[in-house]
Amino acid sequence: EAGVAQSPRYKIIEKRQSVAFWCNPISGHATLYWYQQILGQGPKLLIQFQNNGVVDDSQLPKDRFSAERLKGVDSTLKIQPAKLEDSAVYLCASSWGQGALNPKNIQYFGAGTRLSVL
Amino acid sequence: GIQVEQSPPDLILQEGANSTLRCNFSDSVNNLQWFHQNPWGQLINLFYIPSGTKQNGRLSATTVATERYSLLYISSSQTTDSGVYFCAVLRAGTALIFGKGTTLSVSS
Repeated sequence: EAGVAQSPRYKIIEKRQSVAFWCNPISGHATLYWYQQILGQGPKLLIQFQNNGVVDDSQLPKDRFSAERLKGVDSTLKIQPAKLEDSAVYLCASSWGQGALNPKNIQYFGAGTRLSVL
Repeated sequence: GIQVEQSPPDLILQEGANSTLRCNFSDSVNNLQWFHQNPWGQLINLFYIPSGTKQNGRLSATTVATERYSLLYISSSQTTDSGVYFCAVLRAGTALIFGKGTTLSVSS
């Protein structure tokens, strides 16, 4: 079974430029998550989708970050304009569903995109 | 919100040694997962363990939900065990909340 695919693996941009990250979840997984991991910290949720609807985007800086999952499968996360503090690894994860008590809903993570903003 | 604290923050071992990593959480949770983040950044699922004890090879984990902690045991450590170990908890209707991790370095 293929895992969560992300691209690109690395991206270097100048501040105020824009950047986009792509994620393809595990086949059949309805729930998709984007996390931001700053160096030395654990991942922090940016946005959660259930199919093509947003479940939680309370920690997404909406003035510069946007995300979509138009057909309920692939997702794109965009930053425009980027700031120095956006330098981080952006992780995509997926799960079969979102019920916390169901072991089928374990989250599986992609390899991440490492963003450096200069 | 729920606080997740992991200890120790850093651990240095010789190959073959055993270790115990701890995760404390501040409120009741429905789910707890342990992850290993390898040097290339990939987060690998180790255990889904909201309660009880599980074992997988040289690794085992125990969660005592009533006392709000979980332990990850690594026996006979190998250099490939190096990396960061994260504990993450989940309550109904939320996403995973991660601790800051324990960085493990195993030398040969």
